[in-house]
Amino acid sequence: DAGITQSPRHKVTETGTPVTLRCHQTENHRYMYWYRQDPGHGLRLIHYSYGVKDTDKGEVSDGYSVSRSKTEDFLLTLESATSSQTSVYFCAISELDNTEAFFGQGTRLTVV
Amino acid sequence: TQLLEQSPQFLSIQEGENLTVYCNSSSVFSSLQWYRQEPGEGPVLLVTVVTGGEVKKLKRLTFQFGDARKDSSLHITAAQPGDTGLYLCAGTQTGANNLFFGTGTRLTVIP
Repeated sequence: DAGITQSPRHKVTETGTPVTLRCHQTENHRYMYWYRQDPGHGLRLIHYSYGVKDTDKGEVSDGYSVSRSKTEDFLLTLESATSSQTSVYFCAISELDNTEAFFGQGTRLTVV
Repeated sequence: TQLLEQSPQFLSIQEGENLTVYCNSSSVFSSLQWYRQEPGEGPVLLVTVVTGGEVKKLKRLTFQFGDARKDSSLHITAAQPGDTGLYLCAGTQTGANNLFFGTGTRLTVIP
């Protein structure tokens, strides 16, 4: 299995609070992605990174920010959590852009 | 807007039966990937197809990329309970920094 660790695995938070999810990889892959998975929508890209300090928006980036200060870590921050951000969040890595993606185990986030 | 539509959305079959899952789009993709996802886990890549008309086999699984590179199918022969899971197709487009995922087909194989 690719070395990807997401933390936390589960979190319940209140509306309006900031939340940070962490993705850590040991594969030294250049590309890192944050997806959310919701019933009826499949996996949708939130943000991605193509190198340290190099990030870009995905399909559903509103309300989210990311940072990548080291190759191995990619952080996803919900600036002010809303109930619509209740979802399962997956981090993925790939060596080259849009090639085989390796996924973490996911973080189940509930905003109440 | 969902670029990739998968059908059927749900499929429940008996062990030993054959099945086909479809992934369709009106857009052209430079490659198509198929993933399987089990409960509580992230998706795991099964195969990548890149050439129109390409057929790849992975044991009892046969993957085909349409000639026009707009659609793909996954055929499973003699399904087993271990094939149970969510099957996702994902496409890449030239110039786009994104894997576009379909909504998935949830397969249940009953022993």
